[in-house]
Order: sequence, then structure tokens, then C-alpha cells
Amino acid sequence: GAGVSQSPSNKVTEKGKDVELRCDPISGHTALYWYRQRLGQGLEFLIYFQGNSAPDKSGLPSDRFSAERTGESVSTLTIQRTQQEDSAVYLCASRSAGGTYEQYFGPGTRLTVT
Amino acid sequence: AQSVTQLGSHVSVSEGALVLLRCNYSSSVPPYLFWYVQYPNQGLQLLLKYTSAATLVKGINGFEAEFKKSETSFHLTKPSAHMSDAAEYFCAVSAGNTPLVFGKGTRLSVIA
Repeated sequence: GAGVSQSPSNKVTEKGKDVELRCDPISGHTALYWYRQRLGQGLEFLIYFQGNSAPDKSGLPSDRFSAERTGESVSTLTIQRTQQEDSAVYLCASRSAGGTYEQYFGPGTRLTVT
Repeated sequence: AQSVTQLGSHVSVSEGALVLLRCNYSSSVPPYLFWYVQYPNQGLQLLLKYTSAATLVKGINGFEAEFKKSETSFHLTKPSAHMSDAAEYFCAVSAGNTPLVFGKGTRLSVIA
């Protein structure tokens, strides 16, 4: 089917506001990842969902960040009380259960905190 | 633990010249290695992957990479650069179903 989609593509928010970012993985993909890409930097892992297992939250930078996933479909990443250092592109990726472990990425959400 | 080092944050080549982007990895388990390309304002596209089969891996757009365990390297090459190859390239490692660990990326410029 279609690739990974993310919304919104761009989000500008004021410091202190909460934001929600959405990811629709490839249909049938059991694994879903969130990464953050700061300007001029590589990608940092944030959180990983695999089926019905407890998510791996080891990459979340603070308790202002949280994420949920409904079954094996949509995921939302929530950032509370946004700070300027949260400005980045947030990328979502999904992976099938079998295969050779490649992850397929969405186009990202560019978050700007003013 | 795993890590990736990409030598050279910026590489510039002439159109038609060889492209060589360097990647060295560190992994305590047999690695799965990937190269992704990112065009401006877009997500990451998989170029090629190494998953313990053949050590010379061919990918899309004429790129290939060779896994060298003794050198812990997975350098990306292309015999002849095209203007359309100008982009950011990321090398990444995982243990399979674990999150990808990325290098900081190499920006490739192609000069006409």
C-alpha cells in the first residue's frame, strides 16, 4: 500500500504549548519508530513500538515527551510545554515483522517552537 | 552498544567522478547496516542494506557498498556521480529489530 505518512508536515507553536504529531505506518507493519533530527544533526532515536509489547522509551529526552500507538496502526507523539530546543524534524518509520529489518520513513514533521 | 562514524561531513565531487562516502561502525553483535539518502525537505529513502548475506551489496541509483568486518567498515560508492546524487547520506547500524543508530551524515555536492 501507501508509504508512511505523517501530519502535519509543518507545525509552528509558541513556547509552552503542547503539540501532537501523527504517524500512519505502512499497513501490516508491526514495528514503529520515532526519531528526531535537529538541524545539521543525525537522527536520534526517541521511542519504539513492537506489536503489543511494552514500548521502548529509552530515547525520550524528557518526561515532556510521550507517545501512543493504537494496536498496529496510528501513533501520536506528544510534546508538552514545548521548548525552543524541541525545534526539529520528527521522523516516523515502520518495519514489517519479518524480512531484513529495513525501516521505511515518512516525510517528517518540521516543528518550530517560537 | 552500537555506533557509527561517517568521515567527512561534506564531500564534493565532479559530475562523472567516483563517489566514496565512508562509514565505520562499532557493534557488540553481528550488525545490520544501512545507507539512507535524504533529499532536501524529504524523509529518508533506503539506498541499500547489509544483512549478513553477500558482503558486496548493490542498491538503487547505481550505488553499492562493501561490508568489511576486519575493518568494521561499510563504505558507499558509485562509479560515476550525477547531479541528481546531491543529497545528504546517512549510514546506520542496528542489531535487527532494534532502533537504528545513525551517523551524523555526509552531504554530497556534485559539481558540473
